[in-house]
Amino acid sequence: DQQVKQNSPSLSVQEGRISILNCDYTNSMFDYFLWYKKYPAEGPTFLISISSIKDKNEDGRFTVFLNKSAKHLSLHIVPSQPGDSAVYFCAALWGGGNKLTFGTGTQLKVEL
Amino acid sequence: GAGVSQSPSNKVTEKGKDVELRCDPISGHTALYWYRQSLGQGLEFLIYFQGNSAPDKSGLPSDRFSAERTGGSVSTLTIQRTQQEDSAVYLCASSLGKGTGTTEAFFGQGTRLTVV
Repeated sequence: DQQVKQNSPSLSVQEGRISILNCDYTNSMFDYFLWYKKYPAEGPTFLISISSIKDKNEDGRFTVFLNKSAKHLSLHIVPSQPGDSAVYFCAALWGGGNKLTFGTGTQLKVEL
Repeated sequence: GAGVSQSPSNKVTEKGKDVELRCDPISGHTALYWYRQSLGQGLEFLIYFQGNSAPDKSGLPSDRFSAERTGGSVSTLTIQRTQQEDSAVYLCASSLGKGTGTTEAFFGQGTRLTVV
């Protein structure tokens, strides 16, 4: 039972353009959503998060949008840079600190 | 230390042997997670410790897997009678924990386990 889904295993974007990574969830009890970035041979690193009471959170080039009615969130990276090439995981949290449930990840490749 | 530390970074073991993977969380973090990532797969939840509460073991794939957390700090994940399908990167993460208003979890670099 995949409660957090990332349906695109990979995405390729040109440098300078916008990258949009999508995530869907099924559990309406999730109250916090996070994005992690993972380079090969390293652990995931936290990128940005959003509470379920908000619909947008912005941090520099990264913006996360949440559509609760559609149970959908997305991560926008603009402008995309080659160093952004990594696997991006969407994660959800329920119950104020309970276990993080991760999606399967999307491999982003930013091309020159 | 400054971050979550895992050891060993790589482990090759023969099928049927037992292995122990260690995680040193960030000091003061009461929540500790174990995940694993098999080749081409996402992050699979294994077990979650929160303070002195009973751990959430709902993700452990079989009774060959067990984990403990001594003194609320260091955690050990033990896999008995390893099988080839246990080959994966095992990731540990810690966070300040429930009720602190902080949700960000910090990951270690992982232990790459290869069962031959």
